[in-house]
Amino acid sequence: AQSVTQLGSHVSVSEGALVLLRCNYSSSVPPYLFWYVQYPNQGLQLLLKYTSAATLVKGINGFEAEFKKSETSFHLTKPSAHMSDAAEYFCALRVNAGNMLTFGGGTRLMVKP
Amino acid sequence: EAGVAQSPRYKIIEKRQSVAFWCNPISGHATLYWYQQILGQGPKLLIQFQNNGVVDDSQLPKDRFSAERLKGVDSTLKIQPAKLEDSAVYLCASSAGTGGLVFFGQGTRLTVV
Repeated sequence: AQSVTQLGSHVSVSEGALVLLRCNYSSSVPPYLFWYVQYPNQGLQLLLKYTSAATLVKGINGFEAEFKKSETSFHLTKPSAHMSDAAEYFCALRVNAGNMLTFGGGTRLMVKP
Repeated sequence: EAGVAQSPRYKIIEKRQSVAFWCNPISGHATLYWYQQILGQGPKLLIQFQNNGVVDDSQLPKDRFSAERLKGVDSTLKIQPAKLEDSAVYLCASSAGTGGLVFFGQGTRLTVV
């Protein structure tokens, strides 16, 4: 069975600082990996996806993530945080068997002025 | 293109009452999902439909939860009777099919008192 672990349920950064949200996965087959963002009282919006092409994936709003098979990680980064980045971020995994997404527990990002 | 539509947005009921949620997926999307997101946790798949057939309902508490997608388009999720622990956001999502991106609705926030 596959699983996703997000280290740190809460991350706080200053505006302009580097954002690093950690995601580790477990899967017996090569996974597809995703990052979603959820703003308050909203659904989930896709930030970026890894589908076995380039290991460095660029997404919307300046975010990117790097797939590292040796570390079973897919950490999300952004060079400079904006106040508007404050939200909850979810890492998710899908295997080839179907479209079911398995989510991590989420990381709430807080951005301080 | 219209997104995934859900209603109602909010619902408060007493325990042991019944409740139903409605979802209309993106036009043409064959696959529809219902996820349960408990506060502070990642979404958990309840049921997955392919057209009007159930693909996966292994995590659906079938003694109280039911879902249908009779015409292969919109879907309803019902809880009868509700328990306090059913308080959560119920997210509907859809995708064009196997391998397609999954798009989420805004969710229905259920509070059971």
